[in-house]
Amino acid sequence: EAGVAQSPRYKIIEKRQSVAFWCNPISGHATLYWYQQILGQGPKLLIQFQNNGVVDDSQLPKDRFSAERLKGVDSTLKIQPAKLEDSAVYLCASSWGGHQPQHFGDGTRLSIL
Amino acid sequence: EDKVVQSPLSLVVHEGDTVTLNCSYEVTNFRSLLWYKQEKKAPTFLFMLTSSGIEKKSGRLSSILDKKELFSILNITATQTGDSAIYLCAVHYTGANSKLTFGKGITLSVRP
Repeated sequence: EAGVAQSPRYKIIEKRQSVAFWCNPISGHATLYWYQQILGQGPKLLIQFQNNGVVDDSQLPKDRFSAERLKGVDSTLKIQPAKLEDSAVYLCASSWGGHQPQHFGDGTRLSIL
Repeated sequence: EDKVVQSPLSLVVHEGDTVTLNCSYEVTNFRSLLWYKQEKKAPTFLFMLTSSGIEKKSGRLSSILDKKELFSILNITATQTGDSAIYLCAVHYTGANSKLTFGKGITLSVRP
């Protein structure tokens, strides 16, 4: 079974620029999550999708972050404009449904200069 | 605020040692607790625990949950250098939202 695919693996941008990340979940997984992991911390949920609907985006900074999951499969996460504090690893995870083990992609390491 | 606390934050052992990693939680509407291993890439799933007192085992790793005292332990016996990683503990709530609330992680270094 193929795992969760994410791209790019690394991204370096200057503050105030925009950036987008892509995630392809495990085939058949209805639930998709985006987490932000700052160095030395555990991952923190940004947004959760069930199929193509949003279940929880309460911790997503909506003035600069946006995410979509069109057609209930792939998802993109965008940051515009980026701030220095957005430097982190952005992890995508998927699961069969709620409360099942989540399987993570390798993440995108974002550095803001 | 719900909280997941892991201890110790870092640990250095020698190959062959046995280690115990701790995770305590203060979570209302608790549903399950999960352990993940994170090397340089993705966190990889180890165990999911929902019932007290039932040990889950996979090779040299084992874990158990105490829902009365609100903690879990992850044991690794006969450690190897390949066990060096960050071990993350996370908790599921009940309800429609199935997000994981993570602890900060425990950095384990196994020296030859």
